[in-house]
Amino acid sequence: GESVGLHLPTLSVQEGDNSIINCAYSNSASDYFIWYKQESGKGPQFIIDIRSNMDKRQGQRVTVLLNKTVKHLSLQIAATQPGDSAVYFCAEKGDSWGKLQFGAGTQVVVTP
Amino acid sequence: DTEVTQTPKHLVMGMTNKKSLKCEQHMGHRAMYWYKQKAKKPPELMFVYSYEKLSINESVPSRFSPECPNSSLLNLHLHALQPEDSALYLCASSPRQGFDEQYFGPGTRLTVT
Repeated sequence: GESVGLHLPTLSVQEGDNSIINCAYSNSASDYFIWYKQESGKGPQFIIDIRSNMDKRQGQRVTVLLNKTVKHLSLQIAATQPGDSAVYFCAEKGDSWGKLQFGAGTQVVVTP
Repeated sequence: DTEVTQTPKHLVMGMTNKKSLKCEQHMGHRAMYWYKQKAKKPPELMFVYSYEKLSINESVPSRFSPECPNSSLLNLHLHALQPEDSALYLCASSPRQGFDEQYFGPGTRLTVT
């Protein structure tokens, strides 16, 4: 079946550096993508989303890029902080039923 | 109120027990979801309720029984669970089914002994 996946299971980044988390998707019909952050012992927390008619969207310290040609999604975190340490999931919505298809997740570890 | 709450935070139950997980939201959302999440894995959809009616059942075993008593509450009744059912159970809501963003609760950590 179609799935959303991540290239790097673990990303170690130094505090203050920028982080880039990548995600590949295979359903060309998906029209909405979302990034969630999940800290240990907590539920997923919305970070940022993007629709398929956009290539880029910026939030506070975060930017999501969508490349539909190669079916690639990325999350950029500027000036990474210790509080950014978490597992990051990308998810896509490819149907009208509201089912989110989650990627495998990337563990981000911020080192001092 | 912009959050989804879940109780209890932790639950330990035997395989012969009956227990219930509770979820509540006061955002006026009309779609509510149950997910199961194993350690270091993404959430897996179990059930979707839309306007208090079951809309999606992802072939979940009958030992899990969902209930939506009203538009703000969602329960998951548990009976005769297996140790492999131990996981984090997440509740989520969205304004309507098919609406993009889902808001997640903190989850209930379930251990089946």
